[in-house]
Amino acid sequence: RKEVEQDPGPFNVPEGATVAFNCTYSNSASQSFFWYRQDCRKEPKLLMSVYSSGNEDGRFTAQLNRASQYISLLIRDSKLSDSATYLCVASPGDKIIFGKGTRLHILP
Amino acid sequence: DAGVIQSPRHEVTEMGQEVTLRCKPISGHDYLFWYRQTMMRGLELLIYFNNNVPIDDSGMPEDRFSAKMPNASFSTLKIQPSEPRDSAVYFCASSFSGTGHNEQFFGPGTRLTVL
Repeated sequence: RKEVEQDPGPFNVPEGATVAFNCTYSNSASQSFFWYRQDCRKEPKLLMSVYSSGNEDGRFTAQLNRASQYISLLIRDSKLSDSATYLCVASPGDKIIFGKGTRLHILP
Repeated sequence: DAGVIQSPRHEVTEMGQEVTLRCKPISGHDYLFWYRQTMMRGLELLIYFNNNVPIDDSGMPEDRFSAKMPNASFSTLKIQPSEPRDSAVYFCASSFSGTGHNEQFFGPGTRLTVL
């Protein structure tokens, strides 16, 4: 089983819609979780950390379910500029493990 | 701060040649990571350093790959000899442990093509 698994997509979503991604992780010792965003031919950049209680940043909401070992990302009122690949990350200790990413295309 | 700096941005070389990728982490960061990204395998951690000391190199594919960090502001990833299957984007990232979590800041990457 891969350490961090994501649906590769692509998710093709009309502008203004709500979209959600899930990601599962296998290492129960993981303590920190993140969502990164990667634009085409660019480096990954931190989108948001994921806290146990769940957290929200504008149109973005991240949640963690430790019992089922998954994290989620919800994007409301999607914009064309949200088109990117979203990388799920779990961190057991010093290093962090990236998923392969979910591609999102927002359609005008 | 200029962020993580990598050079070169693009490298095209022939099979068998030595390739050296360079990275300057963000000043004050105590962790440095080298990743490789391909369509097939995604983003793979190759090696990481803490305070210039290699901590985990289990992701280094084989002996052809080596990495050094002679000081806090410079690291290199060397491939000798290079092979076509090494073609990928190589990212360097750095982080600061003092924040209590592991946010990593990535450089722009080096796009390597081995012919």
